Amino acid sequence: DAGITQSPRHKVTETGTPVTLRCHQTENHRYMYWYRQDPGHGLRLIHYSYGVKDTDKGEVSDGYSVSRSKTEDFLLTLESATSSQTSVYFCAISDPGGTGELFFGEGSRLTVL
Amino acid sequence: ELKVEQNPLFLSMQEGKNYTIYCNYSTTSDRLYWYRQDPGKSLESLFVLLSNGAVKQEGRLMASLDTKARLSTLHITAAVHDLSATYFCAVVSFSGTYKYIFGTGTRLKVLA
Repeated sequence: DAGITQSPRHKVTETGTPVTLRCHQTENHRYMYWYRQDPGHGLRLIHYSYGVKDTDKGEVSDGYSVSRSKTEDFLLTLESATSSQTSVYFCAISDPGGTGELFFGEGSRLTVL
Repeated sequence: ELKVEQNPLFLSMQEGKNYTIYCNYSTTSDRLYWYRQDPGKSLESLFVLLSNGAVKQEGRLMASLDTKARLSTLHITAAVHDLSATYFCAVVSFSGTYKYIFGTGTRLKVLA
């Protein structure tokens, strides 16, 4: 199994509070992604990174920011959480130079009250 | 902008029957991936399709890719209960960097 760790795995927070989710990989893959999964929407791309300090927006980036200061870590921050950001968040990594297969973390379930 | 559509969204089928899930996408891509997700779990890679005409098989599942038609199929042969899960296709969009866009998923329920 690909070495991907997400933390925290579960979090309950209140509207307006900041939240940071962490994704850590041990595979040295260049690309890292944050997705959110909601019923009826499948997986939607929030932000992704193609190298240290290189990030770009995905389909649903409003209200989220990311940072990648090291190859192995990709942080997703909700500056001021809202109830619409209640979701399951998945981190994924890939090496497009190979098969380009995406490998997923176990997911982080976030509830915003 | 790349759009990926899957159908059906929900599929209930009897054990022993055959069925096909379809994945259509809107712009050129020659990389397509299929994933399986069990309830409450993460996504598990099933198939990697990297060229036109690619066909991969694993047990009762077979996936194919037609890049000219922008279509991939996931065929289920003689379904068994253990195949009950949600299946996603994902297509790569490349515009200088790689983005993976997912279909909405097909929830498969195999009835004994």
